[in-house]
Amino acid sequence: DGGITQSPKYLFRKEGQNVTLSCEQNLNHDAMYWYRQDPGQGLRLIYYSQIVNDFQKGDIAEGYSVSREKKESFPLTVTSAQKNPTAFYLCASSMGHSRPYQPQHFGDGTRLSIL
Amino acid sequence: DAKTTQPTSMDCAEGRAANLPCNHSTISGNEYVYWYRQIHSQGPQYIIHGLKNNETNEMASLIITEDRKSSTLILPHATLRDTAVYYCIVRSGGSQGNLIFGKGTKLSVKP
Repeated sequence: DGGITQSPKYLFRKEGQNVTLSCEQNLNHDAMYWYRQDPGQGLRLIYYSQIVNDFQKGDIAEGYSVSREKKESFPLTVTSAQKNPTAFYLCASSMGHSRPYQPQHFGDGTRLSIL
Repeated sequence: DAKTTQPTSMDCAEGRAANLPCNHSTISGNEYVYWYRQIHSQGPQYIIHGLKNNETNEMASLIITEDRKSSTLILPHATLRDTAVYYCIVRSGGSQGNLIFGKGTKLSVKP
């Protein structure tokens, strides 16, 4: 089955530690996205990438970093500079510029907590 | 991207049709209407999208008014598993990525 896989489902971080969240897709999508969701809130865009080796900051990029070395993968690193990292992190993908009206599809998320 | 307005919550009896309204009175000509739903602790699930014609797929139907200022998502035979928060989003293809999720409608399907 084609889809988006996020791992791990739950992640715990100590103060001052960097952690990396994995996102892999086998939908052959060009574009990939990272969102953050806080309890009772909507999604906020962290970073997005329309093509391999290129990515742009979203609305709340501070304290986060990404890479896009392969089409299938878009890992997100939550650095120690992110002061309030506890949240539900969602990865999405879409066809991108080739089919701009096609929807984004989401993974099942990673829930990050601070110890 | 245009802003949307949805009721905070709705109830529906199991087996009946669930009709979820959305107002998007400032929608522009190149903006599509997308519907997603989110079950607790899961990622949003894409349901359906459309521009101006009514659309139907295996999950739902989307009815868009002729002036495109509002739309209705119809789940024809709601089940308990359809209990979720439903989001109506208006977006143009030119948007660089941001899907703006508002607070959505909490649909409770009751036996």
